[in-house]
Amino acid sequence: KQEVTQIPAALSVPEGENLVLNCSFTDSAIYNLQWFRQDPGKGLTSLLLIQSSQREQTSGRLNASLDKSSGRSTLYIAASQPGDSATYLCAVSPSNTGKLIFGQGTTLQVKP
Amino acid sequence: DVKVTQSSRYLVKRTGEKVFLECVQDMDHENMFWYRQDPGLGLRLIYFSYDVKMKEKGDIPEGYSVSREKKERFSLILESASTNQTSMYLCASNPLTQGVKSIQYFGAGTRLSVL
Repeated sequence: KQEVTQIPAALSVPEGENLVLNCSFTDSAIYNLQWFRQDPGKGLTSLLLIQSSQREQTSGRLNASLDKSSGRSTLYIAASQPGDSATYLCAVSPSNTGKLIFGQGTTLQVKP
Repeated sequence: DVKVTQSSRYLVKRTGEKVFLECVQDMDHENMFWYRQDPGLGLRLIYFSYDVKMKEKGDIPEGYSVSREKKERFSLILESASTNQTSMYLCASNPLTQGVKSIQYFGAGTRLSVL
């Protein structure tokens, strides 16, 4: 059974730091991997999607990488800002049905 | 922009009531999903639908049913609400396509309290 783990559960950094969030999954047979952002009490916003054949995706200050063989993905946030404070969730899709299996998230606080 | 709209942000119901949570998407997506989110347990899939009148159970379907009579609307039904169904419920949709366009879009969530 696919399991997704995100470490650390919480992270606090000063503004301006570059940081890396980690995601690992137990079964490398995935269709894609997505990173989401969730603000308190709100829904999820998709940040990046990496297809299983891809190694990385970039959007602005965000870069997500995927190493399927080792079951790992990282989300790199450059020059962090207080507005980046949120919970970041990683999710894998085991097939092309769209079903997602989520990690428990990393709650990020960026201090001014 | 894709919009997934959940009819209520907050709901308070009593044990034993029948509860309907409604979700509407405006992008003609084939796939729709219902998740619940609980502290320490993360997001868990309740049901999903890949077409009108089609549905499949997710990981935790017990105590829930769903209805998809029109492509844009996916309803989650709690036949007899119980206190352990107090949770945040999230609806999502995505198109039946491949590549980066298959990202999943979420509604704002419904926080349900069952007393």
